[in-house]
Amino acid sequence: QKEVEQNSGPLSVPEGAIASLNCTYSDRGSQSFFWYRQYSGKSPELIMSIYSNGDKEDGRFTAQLNKASQYVSLLIRDSQPSDSATYLCAVGGSGYALNFGKGTSLLVTP
Amino acid sequence: KAGVTQTPRYLIKTRGQQVTLSCSPISGHRSVSWYQQTPGQGLQFLFEYFSETQRNKGNFPGRFSGRQFSNSRSEMNVSTLELGDSALYLCASSATGTGSGEQYFGPGTRLTVT
Repeated sequence: QKEVEQNSGPLSVPEGAIASLNCTYSDRGSQSFFWYRQYSGKSPELIMSIYSNGDKEDGRFTAQLNKASQYVSLLIRDSQPSDSATYLCAVGGSGYALNFGKGTSLLVTP
Repeated sequence: KAGVTQTPRYLIKTRGQQVTLSCSPISGHRSVSWYQQTPGQGLQFLFEYFSETQRNKGNFPGRFSGRQFSNSRSEMNVSTLELGDSALYLCASSATGTGSGEQYFGPGTRLTVT
């Protein structure tokens, strides 16, 4: 069974701080890694994708991948109350399906 | 570009009935995947279609089926509905023909089985 693990949270950070979200996966053959944001009652929205080891930055978001440790993370700088949502880590292999973690709930307090 | 669309958005059915959900992918996207989301299990993969061919299927009973049409639109069907089938059903489309690339989700169909 290919597992993707996330801490369910809630992770609470004050406005303006850095939020750090973590994800581990079990399948060493995984090739693609994604972070989705899901607001309550809405569908998941793709916010970051990363395919190779290292960091990838997009605005206030930075995704980090370490394939040796089977670890993916998402940093959100200057967190805003509008960032409060559930963040889903998704991992893809060669089988055309994404395997999702159960998500981490983030709460940014004013 | 218009996003992924799903119809209907909400559905209430009775145990034993069947249901058909529809998905139209982003224009030019030929891969369509279906997922079931429940509070307890999270997002679980149902199946993926590319050019009318099912390339992968998740661990769901045979009551769950799908198909894709030549215009890339997809439908999924659930027969003999059970209470446990109550969930948000999400369709996602991808431009990637190989591997597991970026997937973009539609708004989902909320199915309630009573």
